Amino acid sequence: DAGVIQSPRHEVTEMGQEVTLRCKPISGHDYLFWYRQTMMRGLELLIYFNNNVPIDDSGMPEDRFSAKMPNASFSTLKIQPSEPRDSAVYFCASSSGTGYNSPLHFGNGTRLTVT
Amino acid sequence: AQKVTQAQTEISVVEKEDVTLDCVYETRDTTYYLFWYKQPPSGELVFLIRRNSFDEQNEISGRYSWNFQKSTSSFNFTITASQVVDSAVYFCALSSYAGKSTFGDGTTLTVKP
Repeated sequence: DAGVIQSPRHEVTEMGQEVTLRCKPISGHDYLFWYRQTMMRGLELLIYFNNNVPIDDSGMPEDRFSAKMPNASFSTLKIQPSEPRDSAVYFCASSSGTGYNSPLHFGNGTRLTVT
Repeated sequence: AQKVTQAQTEISVVEKEDVTLDCVYETRDTTYYLFWYKQPPSGELVFLIRRNSFDEQNEISGRYSWNFQKSTSSFNFTITASQVVDSAVYFCALSSYAGKSTFGDGTTLTVKP
């Protein structure tokens, strides 16, 4: 059974450019989460979806960030325009069950560097 | 608001020593779940164990054991006879009905040969 698949693994871009991160959750999982990990702030929940519908985006830092889940097998996190402070590792995770009682299955993350 | 505190930022032990990682949480919810995740140097986050707020039975799985005490809001994790491969960052997390998981800041465990 394939795990959560994220692409790209690494992304280096210049300030002001648009960045799109991609995620394929585990088949059958109804919940999808986007997290950001930095040394300063640790693991932060940005947004999560249930059955492709965004449930809580209160963690999205600002309007430059947007996330979509057009179908059950694909989600994107877009940053436009990117800034150096967006540099972090972005994780996608999925889970089954009711969401809160199920463990998160994480992808390998995308390491974003904005210069 | 939910909060998870892992007071130990870094722990260093010598192989074969036992080590306990502490986790203290805060929540107003009566139903919640607690988790431990491991993040090895390769970077991925791996689920280790889950406990719900009604199950205070402690568990042992191989070299790992967990101690959940609701009275002190603690969910500690012990590795017996530590090995170099146990070196990682360990995260404690809390999830309640609202669906969000709140993570602690993590404890970096270094096991030296």
